Amino acid sequence: EAQVTQNPRYLITVTGKKLTVTCSQNMNHEYMSWYRQDPGLGLRQIYYSMNVEVTDKGDVPEGYKVSRKEKRNFPLILESPSPNQTSLYFCASSLIAGGPNEQFFGPGTRLTVL
Amino acid sequence: KQEVTQIPAALSVPEGENLVLNCSFTDSAIYNLQWFRQDPGKGLTSLLLIQSSQREQTSGRLNASLDKSSGRSTLYIAASQPGDSATYLCAVSPQGGSEKLVFGKGMKLTVNP
Repeated sequence: EAQVTQNPRYLITVTGKKLTVTCSQNMNHEYMSWYRQDPGLGLRQIYYSMNVEVTDKGDVPEGYKVSRKEKRNFPLILESPSPNQTSLYFCASSLIAGGPNEQFFGPGTRLTVL
Repeated sequence: KQEVTQIPAALSVPEGENLVLNCSFTDSAIYNLQWFRQDPGKGLTSLLLIQSSQREQTSGRLNASLDKSSGRSTLYIAASQPGDSATYLCAVSPQGGSEKLVFGKGMKLTVNP
């Protein structure tokens, strides 16, 4: 089944404890990205990747890192999480960047930073 | 800067009604427009994708139209059912830049039995 998967789905952590949220797609998509969703603010892009080893900042990159060593994986890293990073996170992918492609979303990761 | 607006933010209707959900965007330079459905605490399910060259797309009881020049899209839901209750999000893919989707804040639909 073609899908985008994320792990973990739920995470409660404490300020400053490094964490990684994994994202994987099995559709051979070139483009992947991370969004966060907050009440009243909607979905905002954090980082995106056009292809392997090509990443760039979205609208709200502060406090996050990403890497794209393999085509299928695009992990989101929070080196020192803070309470303002409590949010619902979505990974998305599409076939290629820069074109009329449908984007597919993962199931979301609900992160709480205490 | 592209902005996407969905009004109203919430709608409650009795079962069986035909519904029109509105979406407006400020910049007509888009690749496409997608409508998504989000159930509480869940991910986004893509409902319909309209390319910039298209006027409408249909899937079952759903029909989405696009008027790029006026910056508007509508999602039509025929014969609404309680199972249609969810938040509906509209998103555009702007030409150029990071290829991100720019989302509206969504419309929460409640269909009452």
